[in-house]
Amino acid sequence: EPEVTQTPSHQVTQMGQEVILRCVPISNHLYFYWYRQILGQKVEFLVSFYNNEISEKSEIFDDQFSVERPDGSNFTLKIRSTKLEDSAMYFCASRASGANTGELFFGEGSRLTVL
Amino acid sequence: AQSVTQPDIHITVSEGASLELRCNYSYGATPYLFWYVQSPGQGLQLLLKYFSGDTLVQGIKGFEAEFKRSQSSFNLRKPSVHWSDAAEYFCAVGAGYALNFGKGTSLLVTP
Repeated sequence: EPEVTQTPSHQVTQMGQEVILRCVPISNHLYFYWYRQILGQKVEFLVSFYNNEISEKSEIFDDQFSVERPDGSNFTLKIRSTKLEDSAMYFCASRASGANTGELFFGEGSRLTVL
Repeated sequence: AQSVTQPDIHITVSEGASLELRCNYSYGATPYLFWYVQSPGQGLQLLLKYFSGDTLVQGIKGFEAEFKRSQSSFNLRKPSVHWSDAAEYFCAVGAGYALNFGKGTSLLVTP
């Protein structure tokens, strides 16, 4: 069964460092997403991406964050200068269509710890 | 603004007992509603979804959910819980490109 894969599964970094989280969405999907879940809190939407551009982003997704699809398979989330409050589980998701009814398929997450 | 509320942070049930997880939403239009499950160390898996039609929807793993517009609720149920159902359960409302998640309910299953 096709699945969304994320790397790394866990990353520890120092405050102020740049971090890149990688995702390989399901191959025929066209819509890509990043969500995050701070420990003990709900899963929060960060950004959606379609046709090589951001289609929607939340207030959380400020100038420190960027997304990119550098090739035909990877979808990356970059945090330019990490802060302590960026510590969270980051989930990548993909969807075949843009319809609200389409199922989002999630990866297993990348846990980011900022020290 | 749309919101999703899961009133119960933790629920403990005995194996074989019935289960109901509550979800209430606030949304201006007809909502698209989802339940996801997250097992330890795993990603989010879709259990079921509601868009229109029959208000009682069946999902995977023996789960079902009922959409009640008058109560703005979409509660998840299972008649007999198995130990493997222990996980975090998230209700979500779909709008635009994004899903808006509730804070989740952690389910513990005791022998």
